[in-house]
Amino acid sequence: DGGITQSPKYLFRKEGQNVTLSCEQNLNHDAMYWYRQDPGQGLRLIYYSQIVNDFQKGDIAEGYSVSREKKESFPLTVTSAQKNPTAFYLCASSIAGGYGYTFGSGTRLTVV
Amino acid sequence: AQSVTQPDIHITVSEGASLELRCNYSYGATPYLFWYVQSPGQGLQLLLKYFSGDTLVQGIKGFEAEFKRSQSSFNLRKPSVHWSDAAEYFCAVGANNNAGNMLTFGGGTRLMVKP
Repeated sequence: DGGITQSPKYLFRKEGQNVTLSCEQNLNHDAMYWYRQDPGQGLRLIYYSQIVNDFQKGDIAEGYSVSREKKESFPLTVTSAQKNPTAFYLCASSIAGGYGYTFGSGTRLTVV
Repeated sequence: AQSVTQPDIHITVSEGASLELRCNYSYGATPYLFWYVQSPGQGLQLLLKYFSGDTLVQGIKGFEAEFKRSQSSFNLRKPSVHWSDAAEYFCAVGANNNAGNMLTFGGGTRLMVKP
């Protein structure tokens, strides 16, 4: 079955460390997105990519980085520059120009 | 820029009662509107969407939503709530900008169901 896979489901990081969250899709979608979710704040866009080897900053990109070397993969790195990284991170994908997002099941990152 | 407001952060209803979750949007053109549901610790699942045509939209799990342009609203309804409907619900508006088609989400409404 086609879908979008995020791993790991839970992730713990020490302060000052970078950590990379994985997002893989086999839906043949061109566009991929990373959202951060905090209680009561809904979903906030971190980065998005409409095509391979191209990506754009979203509303809260500071302290994050991404790459899009393959159509299927859109990993997110949370760097030590992100001051408050503890959150639930959601990856999504869609066809080019489409609004029908498919979401992964999320990664909960905790800084310890 | 587009925005979405969900005025109710929490709502509690009794099982079997009717439900209405409010959503107001701001967008200069005809909006594309969506409702998603999220179970705890999970991703979002699409319930229904409105692009054009009939303003009453049917979705999965017995949900429906009505687009009212005059009120800039897209409220979600269900005639009889089941305990399994307890979740967080997000309204979203789609808009085309220079970077492509993007969704903007509301802050969410957490639904609790009393037995």
